[in-house]
This record gives sequence, structure tokens and C-alpha cells, in this order.
Amino acid sequence: EPEVTQTPSHQVTQMGQEVILRCVPISNHLYFYWYRQILGQKVEFLVSFYNNEISEKSEIFDDQFSVERPDGSNFTLKIRSTKLEDSAMYFCASSDIFGGAGETQYFGPGTRLLVL
Amino acid sequence: RKEVEQDPGPFNVPEGATVAFNCTYSNSASQSFFWYRQDCRKEPKLLMSVYSSGNEDGRFTAQLNRASQYISLLIRDSKLSDSATYLCVVRGPSSASKIIFGSGTRLSIRP
Repeated sequence: EPEVTQTPSHQVTQMGQEVILRCVPISNHLYFYWYRQILGQKVEFLVSFYNNEISEKSEIFDDQFSVERPDGSNFTLKIRSTKLEDSAMYFCASSDIFGGAGETQYFGPGTRLLVL
Repeated sequence: RKEVEQDPGPFNVPEGATVAFNCTYSNSASQSFFWYRQDCRKEPKLLMSVYSSGNEDGRFTAQLNRASQYISLLIRDSKLSDSATYLCVVRGPSSASKIIFGSGTRLSIRP
């Protein structure tokens, strides 16, 4: 069964450093998403991406965040200058349909980011 | 009022029992509704979409009540493997709207 993959599984970084989280969505999917989940809290939407541009973003997704699809397979989330409060699990997801009850978002296993 | 609200639980029920969760949402124009499950320290996985007329998938039944702005999930003949956190997820009001997750309801099935 096709699946979304994410690398690395864990990342530890110093406050102020840049991190890039990588995702390989399911190959025939066109819609891509990043979410985060702070330990013990709910899953929060960050950004959706379609046709090489951001289609929707949340208030969390400020200027410190950026997304890119550098080639036909990877989808990346960059955090320019990490803060302590960026420590969370970051999930990538993809879907072949956007919106409607038929939408199924497939989530990757996540990258656990720890900012020290 | 929270955008999507769930009873956090935990619900602790014996194997074979029937258990039901509700979830309320604040935006009456919301369009799409889903139940996801999340195992401890794992990614969310779609359990089922919720259709206006209600729908069933094996032991799982989902209902939507637009007038009262809630969705429900019923699990019959619960199995040990049903132990997880169940996430209520809402998209609205347009298909371009972001997805909002509830905080989840923890379910624990005991032998």
C-alpha cells in the first residue's frame, strides 16, 4: 500500500537554527499538507499546498515557516529560526481529492522536532 | 466556544461493549466531517467520513446532526484493538477551508 514517508524521524536542534523537514507524499496525490502536534495537544493545521503554491495557511504559519516542492517527489517544511515552542511532532499529509466527504488525507509517521 | 469540541475521556469499557462519542462544531456552515483515530505517538488515520445521511462501516456508525451541530461515532462489539484516541475533524465552510481537529477522545478497551 502506498504511504507517505517523512525524514528524519527525530531532529534535535538549537534555538535559532534552521531546520528542514522532508516528506515524500503518495505519488499520484496532488494536495499536500503540514500539521503539527505539540505533545499532549491536538493536531493543528499549518499549511496546504497545491499546484506549486500555498492554498491555505493558518495563523501559526508565519514568516518563519516556508514550504517547497523542490522536485517531483519531495515536499519540505523549513523553519528559519527555531524557537523553543516549535518543539512538536510535525506530520505531512497528502490527498488526491481536496474537500468533500470523499477526501482522505494520508499522514506520514511524523518528525519529532526538539528545540533546545 | 471551541471550533471543534470533544469529551477528552478516557472512556474505559469492557471488550464487547458499545460505546459512543459526540463532537460539536461551532461553524454551522462547515461542510465535511471525519473521524480519524490516532494510536499513541502515531500519525492520525482516517476511520471514516461522515455523510449527511449517516453511514456505517462494519462495527462503526457515524451520524451528523446539522441542526444541533454535532457528529457522533458509535462503536459496537468493541475490540481490544479499538483502544486509541478518536479525533473529530471538520472542514468548512468551503472546500478550500482548512481542516480543524478536535482534541480527541481517548478510548481504552479492557479484556
